[in-house]
Order: sequence, then C-alpha cells, then structure tokens
Amino acid sequence: SQQGEEDPQALSIQEGENATMNCSYKTSINNLQWYRQNSGRGLVHLILIRSNEREKHSGRLRVTLDTSKKSSSLLITASRAADTASYFCATDDDYKLSFGAGTTVTVRA
Amino acid sequence: NAGVMQNPRHLVRRRGQEARLRCSPMKGHSHVYWYRQLPEEGLKFMVYLQKENIIDESGMPKERFSAEFPKEGPSILRIQQVVRGDSAAYFCASSASETYNEQFFGPGTRLTVL
Repeated sequence: SQQGEEDPQALSIQEGENATMNCSYKTSINNLQWYRQNSGRGLVHLILIRSNEREKHSGRLRVTLDTSKKSSSLLITASRAADTASYFCATDDDYKLSFGAGTTVTVRA
Repeated sequence: NAGVMQNPRHLVRRRGQEARLRCSPMKGHSHVYWYRQLPEEGLKFMVYLQKENIIDESGMPKERFSAEFPKEGPSILRIQQVVRGDSAAYFCASSASETYNEQFFGPGTRLTVL
C-alpha cells in the first residue's frame, strides 16, 4: 500500500521559529494531504495538494510536493504554542487514505 | 453544522466482551470510513461503507470485527470477544459522494481492553 513516512519523528522548536517536516511515499499518488492531531484528539485536515501541483499555501502553512522524488514537505512559519501536535501526511489510493506514523512537534514558549 | 460525531469517546471492556462504536457522519455525507490507530502509529484503513452497503472491508480483521451503516441511524463498528490487542483509537471519517478523498474525521473512540 502507499504509505507516507514522516521525518523527523519528533521536533522541538522555540515559539516563533519555523518547523519543517518531510514525508516520503512509495508509489504514484493522486493527492497528498496533511493532517494535525492534538494529543488524544481526532485529526484536523490542514491542506491537500494534488499531484500536478508543486506548492500550496494556507495561512502559516506551506506545502511542497516533488513527485519525482516522491516526497512532500510541510513548513509551519512563526510557530505558536498551539501548533504543538502530531502531524501526519496521507496519500490516497482512491478512497483509502494511508498514513505515516507522524511527526510530533513541540513548540516551547 | 455539526461535524462527524463518535460515541462513546472512551470505552473500557474486559477481555471477551463486545465493543460497539458509533459514528454519525457529517450532514449530507453518505460515505463512512473506519480507521484504527495503534499507539505511536498512523491510522490504518479498516472499512468503507455507504448506506446499507459495505464497499471495502479489506482492512478489517476477518474474525470478530464487523461494520454496518444502516439506512437510518449511525454507522456501527462492532468488535466481538475483545482481546488486549484491540486496544486502540478508532476513528470514523465521512465524505460527500463526489469527493471521497476529502474525508472529515471524528474525535475517535479510545478502546481499552483490560
């Protein structure tokens, strides 16, 4: 199955700094999505990037997609304490979403 | 406009008991998906249902697990004779018929098997 794998597993940054995490996947995709999960909560959809797009922005989020390298990155600029969460990339194989194990981001005040 | 609702949020069962997890999709959504998240892992697809139909249950264990989405009422994920390995967070997602890759997730049910 197509499975995103995030890197790094964990990231600790100071408030105001940028956080960058990467996702690699194995086979061709239609779309790649990023989700956030706060501790003990459900997933919140952040952004979807289609296979024919290279970059997408949403507020303080910037996502890039490189289909030749089968990789994507999520950048959170000017991080806040509220950004502390786990971040997952998901590829879709028709209706099945395949998630990686996530990157846990801790933003220190 | 309420999002995806799941209940209970937390469920504790002893080995051998049955667990019933409920999911009400977002208003206007007719497609429901169940995913399981084991500790320190990402979500894994279990089953995809439309009203009164199971479309794909390839991710669901062959025994003890079943799912339904009746014409009226919520979708139910049922786990019979639970074992400790069933302890996980179970998430339901829903989508509109035209955009099944844009799935909206509920808060999850955390099942603990003692």
